[in-house]
Amino acid sequence: QSVLTQTPSASGTPGQRVIISCSGSSSNIGTNTVNWHHQLPGTAPKLLIYSNNQRPSGVPDRFSGSKSGTSASLAISGLQSEDEADYYCAAWDDSLNGWVFGGGTKLTVL
Amino acid sequence: DVQLVESGGGLVKPGGSLTLSCAASGFTFANAWMNWVRQAPGKGLEWVGRIKSKDDGETRDYATFVKGGFYISRDDSRNTLYLEMHRLQTDDTAVYYCATEDIMISGVGLDYWGQGTLVTVSS
Repeated sequence: QSVLTQTPSASGTPGQRVIISCSGSSSNIGTNTVNWHHQLPGTAPKLLIYSNNQRPSGVPDRFSGSKSGTSASLAISGLQSEDEADYYCAAWDDSLNGWVFGGGTKLTVL
Repeated sequence: DVQLVESGGGLVKPGGSLTLSCAASGFTFANAWMNWVRQAPGKGLEWVGRIKSKDDGETRDYATFVKGGFYISRDDSRNTLYLEMHRLQTDDTAVYYCATEDIMISGVGLDYWGQGTLVTVSS
């Protein structure tokens, strides 16, 4: 059971906008910033969004993040086939004194 | 470019031990906080632990499931991170990734990841 909660799956058609949500608590998302990682099939995770809504260099602006209270969300607009991947939210947890992840959301592009 | 290359994975019997390595390049390893994260087959990401830099006291933090069975160390002269695993059980079977923390920008979190090394615990 993951500390952060994500819906297991999401889907959309090319060009659509999809939102992936992540729910936590006061000891993690409520206090600290949220990061999002994506993992293409058979590859290592890669940082997608940091500090709730910042994109590392090279990440398209189709990807955006937001946070409110103890929840966060990742929005992907202009969905493309190469966006098909697993998406994980992450945050530092002050009670556990460690990084915690969501269980992951598998995004399917129909 | 930042590069992290894990090695040392393989097949080990329940109750056995294994040491993983992560060779780092492309950044100042001695200043970096380093993490281990694992992923069981078909499952999500699970943080194992981290070690801070020597300047930050080389403090170690571990996930609650570790319970003294794992030990993280570093050799800054070799730009290498280690994960010693003892008393391994079948549910420790996973791909183990090393990851940097806050290399890109302060406060960014786990920013660069290696390609992972597979540990299989089976009799």
